[in-house]
Amino acid sequence: NAGVMQNPRHLVRRRGQEARLRCSPVKGHSHVYWYRQLPEEGLKFMVYLQKENIIDESGMPKERFSAEFPKEGPSILRIQQVVRGDSAAYFCASSPVAGASNYGYTFGSGTRLTVV
Amino acid sequence: GQQVMQIPQYQHVQEGEDFTTYCNSSTTLSNIQWYKQRPGGHPVFLIQLVKSGEVKKQKRLTFQFGEAKKNSSLHITATQTTDVGTYFCARDPTGTASKLTFGTGTRLQVTL
Repeated sequence: NAGVMQNPRHLVRRRGQEARLRCSPVKGHSHVYWYRQLPEEGLKFMVYLQKENIIDESGMPKERFSAEFPKEGPSILRIQQVVRGDSAAYFCASSPVAGASNYGYTFGSGTRLTVV
Repeated sequence: GQQVMQIPQYQHVQEGEDFTTYCNSSTTLSNIQWYKQRPGGHPVFLIQLVKSGEVKKQKRLTFQFGEAKKNSSLHITATQTTDVGTYFCARDPTGTASKLTFGTGTRLQVTL
């Protein structure tokens, strides 16, 4: 039973390019969450999605960032025109139910984005 | 937003010593979860606490939820080098099953 799969593990982009981060949740999990983590810091919530719906995007920057979770295929976090400040680890998590539960969140290994 | 503070930020212990991290909230929590993140790794779910005064144990780890449901603690007895990592508490801020908000984390270093 595969866990949350994220790819790529490492991504290097030049300033101004686009970054696409992919996340396949645990099979059967319909709730997906994206978090950002700067070095030596905590996890900052970005967006919560269910299939084809954005439930909560209160943590997403207003510009350049978007996320989707289509009916078929992985969830995608897209960052347009990347800047150096976007360099961080981006973690995707999934859960079988919404919010907190005894199942907890299952996290992927993350994508480490470096903008040069 | 409602902050969940963790103390200490960092602790360095010798193997065999005990360790405790505290998670404090200014408002009542509906539940609290704990996660561990190894250096270079990803967060891994440890446990959820829901009831006032609840205590749960996992081998050398003891988790407590305060009577007023405003604080929680994680205690590790006789630390080992495998306990190295950052421990985060997390809450569902609205209690209505939205997303988790993570605490600031406590980084534990264990040396021989």
